[in-house]
Amino acid sequence: QVELVQSGSELKKPGASVKVSCKTSDYTFTSYAMNWVRQAPGQGLEWMGWINTNTGYPTYAQGFTGRFVFSLDTSVTTAYLQISSLKAEDSAVYYCASGYDKFDYWGQGTLVTVSS
Amino acid sequence: AIQMTQSPSSLSASVGDRVTITCRASQGIRNDLGWYQQKPGKAPKLLIYAASSLYVGVPSRFSGSGSGTDFSLTITSLQPEDFATYYCLQDYNFPRTFGQGTKLEIK
Repeated sequence: QVELVQSGSELKKPGASVKVSCKTSDYTFTSYAMNWVRQAPGQGLEWMGWINTNTGYPTYAQGFTGRFVFSLDTSVTTAYLQISSLKAEDSAVYYCASGYDKFDYWGQGTLVTVSS
Repeated sequence: AIQMTQSPSSLSASVGDRVTITCRASQGIRNDLGWYQQKPGKAPKLLIYAASSLYVGVPSRFSGSGSGTDFSLTITSLQPEDFATYYCLQDYNFPRTFGQGTKLEIK
């Protein structure tokens, strides 16, 4: 059974950075693309981009360039989302989701709250 | 970017009802569309992929149809556990884009 387990909730101050992890299990890590999806409070789903787990090459959606970085550590089958210079509007639940076309498996979500 | 427009944005129905949610793409996307169900506080789950293929383990009361620009998700004989928010997602090209969601509530 494939499982994506994300790191726990984070409370950060404006201007700080956060790194969310997404650990996969029970399948070949490089077999799937890894996507990141944001959900602001009470809002819908927003695709942030994806990272090619074979090459490590990231692709970012418009609006998620500059402060957002996707990365991998294949040795521990984990994907990461790092957000720098946090703003209040970055407060959201962030999901990792595996799959190039259909998003078969999802992490449980990580709540990031940005507040002074 | 391809715009995905879902309708309705919310829907009230009763257990046992049949409901249909639609999704329209701003340009043709072949059959490159999936449907996802999300319950409060939970991650989305894949229901349908390639517009009409039922994902493993998903009850057969869920079905999808459409191609090109117009798609629909139909749930026959609604069950209590089906009350949730549903999203379409196009995987025709990048950036991937979701519909705005349809909240299905109990009447």
